[in-house]
Amino acid sequence: GENVEQHPSTLSVQEGDSAVIKCTYSDSASNYFPWYKQELGKGPQLIIDIRSNVGEKKDQRIAVTLNKTAKHFSLHITETQPEDSAVYFCAASLPGYALNFGKGTSLLVTP
Amino acid sequence: DAGVIQSPRHEVTEMGQEVTLRCKPISGHDYLFWYRQTMMRGLELLIYFNNNVPIDDSGMPEDRFSAKMPNASFSTLKIQPSEPRDSAVYFCASSLNAIGYTQYFGPGTRLTVL
Repeated sequence: GENVEQHPSTLSVQEGDSAVIKCTYSDSASNYFPWYKQELGKGPQLIIDIRSNVGEKKDQRIAVTLNKTAKHFSLHITETQPEDSAVYFCAASLPGYALNFGKGTSLLVTP
Repeated sequence: DAGVIQSPRHEVTEMGQEVTLRCKPISGHDYLFWYRQTMMRGLELLIYFNNNVPIDDSGMPEDRFSAKMPNASFSTLKIQPSEPRDSAVYFCASSLNAIGYTQYFGPGTRLTVL
């Protein structure tokens, strides 16, 4: 099955700086790569996703890039704010299969 | 829509007791997923259903775990007998149409087995 590795496990940035979280996947046939944000005491919530036919996708301050050759994808958050503090999960799925999640990155944005 | 609803939000029980977790997916969603989240293992998929039919239960840890979906608006995850290592947050999620689309998670049930 698909194996997803996520780094770093914790990340601390100052407000206004950028944050980057990276994930690698093992199966080149994977075609769907979502990112979820989990706030304390809540379930994960989708923030952005990308499919294998696209190299980059942006939504306001967040962007995701995909490198199919290297089998890695990254989440970029610009102009970070304290409310961006949360745990972020990447995931990957093969066509017709359920998501495989990374272990998560705990992001702390300090004022 | 109210989103995915889970109950109870917190459950504390003693080892050996039966535990039943409940989930109501978003109306119209064809897929329902049960996950378990722990610090050590992260988010693990336990089982998922399509149109009330279990599709993949390979993530269910052992025979003590069972899940049912008697209709499109209700699912249960049962642990019998419960053990301390079952302590975790259990999430239910639903999605529209197919695998590879947005999953909407419920708030989770925090289970503590003493």
